[in-house]
Amino acid sequence: DTGVSQDPRHKITKRGQNVTFRCDPISEHNRLYWYRQTLGQGPEFLTYFQNEAQLEKSRLLSDRFSAERPKGSFSTLEIQRTEQGDSAMYLCASSLRSLGGSIRGETQYFGPGTRLLVL
Amino acid sequence: AQKITQTQPGMFVQEKEAVTLDCTYDTSDPSYGLFWYKQPSSGEMIFLIYQGSYDQQNATEGRYSLNFQKARKSANLVISASQLGDSAMYFCAMRGLIQGAQKLVFGQGTRLTINP
Repeated sequence: DTGVSQDPRHKITKRGQNVTFRCDPISEHNRLYWYRQTLGQGPEFLTYFQNEAQLEKSRLLSDRFSAERPKGSFSTLEIQRTEQGDSAMYLCASSLRSLGGSIRGETQYFGPGTRLLVL
Repeated sequence: AQKITQTQPGMFVQEKEAVTLDCTYDTSDPSYGLFWYKQPSSGEMIFLIYQGSYDQQNATEGRYSLNFQKARKSANLVISASQLGDSAMYFCAMRGLIQGAQKLVFGQGTRLTINP
């Protein structure tokens, strides 16, 4: 059973460094999402892709953040010039777009997340 | 805008007892979906159960059931016969069909602890 995978699981970096995270969705899923979760909070939406197209971005996604999904399969999230406030869990999820528009059919399944600590 | 409110920061329950986790929501979308996820200490969000706003019956998935009261805008999760492995954070989330596109909006979560 291949669920959503994320790499790395943990990342410690110094302020000002760039970091990149990878997400591999469930193989047949055409939608991919990134969320950020800070300590004691629920996840907050960052962005999502349908195939290779980035269709929505949150205001949380500052210009230091960039996400790509070049071939409609895996995705990368890069944070440039990291700040201590970027320390969080970065969660990736995927879903299969339902032609009938059923929300049930588009349940998002999450990966294990990448914990980022910026020193 | 959509909003989820979970008013119980923590819950402590004896093993084998039933537990209800509260969730209220606010949305102007006429059609929406409500989800519950479990997050163990490992961090992964595990999908538990889904309720559609137009579903006639309350959703059930094994030991999980959803007490959906549309007029009160509440979607409480009921876990029957709790087990030690149920100890985790539980998040209620929603997604509108029209507004808010594809994103899930989450509450702040409830930490459930099952005591032996």
